[in-house]
Amino acid sequence: ILNVEQSPQSLHVQEGDSTNFTCSFPSSNFYALHWYRWETAKSPEALFVMTLNGDEKKKGRISATLNTKEGYSYLYIKGSQPEDSATYLCAFHPVRSISSGSARQLTFGSGTQLTVLP
Amino acid sequence: NAGVTQTPKFRVLKTGQSMTLLCAQDMNHEYMYWYRQDPGMGLRLIHYSVGEGTTAKGEVPDGYNVSRLKKQNFLLGLESAAPSQTSVYFCASSSSRRIIGYTFGSGTRLTVV
Repeated sequence: ILNVEQSPQSLHVQEGDSTNFTCSFPSSNFYALHWYRWETAKSPEALFVMTLNGDEKKKGRISATLNTKEGYSYLYIKGSQPEDSATYLCAFHPVRSISSGSARQLTFGSGTQLTVLP
Repeated sequence: NAGVTQTPKFRVLKTGQSMTLLCAQDMNHEYMYWYRQDPGMGLRLIHYSVGEGTTAKGEVPDGYNVSRLKKQNFLLGLESAAPSQTSVYFCASSSSRRIIGYTFGSGTRLTVV
């Protein structure tokens, strides 16, 4: 079983604050790292899929960085807004193996629950 | 633009009853997955499928069966429900041709009493 850890487990910030959280994953057999945003009572939505060491992705006020050699990714939110309140999931996508077949099997972390207070 | 549709959205079962959860996607994705989500546990893979007529076990397959008779549908069955199967179930699909994120359904909240 692959170990994907996210920290912190939960976070409360004031509106306008910038924040960041971490995803740790195995540094071997890396293929891709996914980030998802999951609002309460909705389904997870893909934010980023990152494949290259040093990669940086940006979507509005949200950005992410990737370090595959040391096995971590950071998600940053600049100027948090109440609508950013959600659980942010990361998922590790290993290199395809004979045992895993050809499916894109992801191992998810438990998520960071972000609450932005107005 | 439906994406991934799951039915039903809610269900209460008695221990020992059976039921089938239906997942349908309209994006022509080859891969489909069933996950369960429990508090503090994150999403755990139950079964997955790489194409029509093929299925495989994930991390927590016991007590579940699946079928993929058509490319667009992936069914999850519980033959004899147990309270430990109380959970929220998510179906997802992805493409075999591009590295893109999964598209998830809206979930099925199942309670087994």
